[in-house]
Amino acid sequence: GAVVSQHPSWVICKSGTSVKIECRSLDFQATTMFWYRQFPKQSLMLMATSNEGSKATYEQGVEKDKFLINHASLTLSTLTVTSAHPEDSSFYICSALRETQYFGPGTRLLVL
Amino acid sequence: AQSVTQLDSHVSVSEGTPVLLRCNYSSSYSPSLFWYVQHPNKGLQLLLKYTSAATLVKGINGFEAEFKKSETSFHLTKPSAHMSDAAEYFCVVSERSSGSARQLTFGSGTQLTVLP
Repeated sequence: GAVVSQHPSWVICKSGTSVKIECRSLDFQATTMFWYRQFPKQSLMLMATSNEGSKATYEQGVEKDKFLINHASLTLSTLTVTSAHPEDSSFYICSALRETQYFGPGTRLLVL
Repeated sequence: AQSVTQLDSHVSVSEGTPVLLRCNYSSSYSPSLFWYVQHPNKGLQLLLKYTSAATLVKGINGFEAEFKKSETSFHLTKPSAHMSDAAEYFCVVSERSSGSARQLTFGSGTQLTVLP
C-alpha cells in the first residue's frame, strides 16, 4: 500500500509554455501533499505544501504565481509551471502524507 | 529548527564489504529520522525510519541504522554491499512544524559506489 504516482514522468516543452504535473495517491487519501524540486546532484528542496480544499503554502523564494498548485481532491494534487523557462528545468517530486511521506517517482522537466 | 548533515558526499566500497553512511542531525524536539535511497532518475524509496521506539532500526535490503541521541547521529550500515546498492542516499529529519503535517529536511545526499 501507500503508492504515489506522477504523470508525466518526462516532459519537454518550449520556453513560454505551461506544463502541468499530476501527483496521485493510488490507494489512500491524502489531505496533504508536498512538492519538491531537485537539481542535478543536489538534494530535494521543498517548494510547497498542498492542502486539499485550501490554498497551498509556499516556501520562501518560491513564486506562487509561477508554480500553481491545486489539490482538488483527496487523491490528486497538480503542479503547473506557468510560462516555463530553461531555468525551470529540473526533477520535480511529489509526496503524499499518510503517517509518513510517500514519494512519487518524479517528473523530469526540460524546457528548451 | 532542524538540520541534517551527511558527512560524506561520496562513499566507495567493494562488493561484499561493509557500508557506512554517516548522518548527524540537529532538532529542537524529539525527531523522526529516515533514510531514503534514490536510484538514477527515480523517486525516493524509504529504507527505514526511527520514530522514538527502538534505537536500532532495521530496514529493507539488509540496511539498518542506530539512533544515538548523545551523538546526534543516525548512521546507516549494511554488513555486505551488493552492486545493486549503488545509488544516492538521503538522511532526513522530521519534527512537527506549526501545522499538523511533519516537514522533512533532507541532507545533501551521499553517493554510494560499489566496486566489483
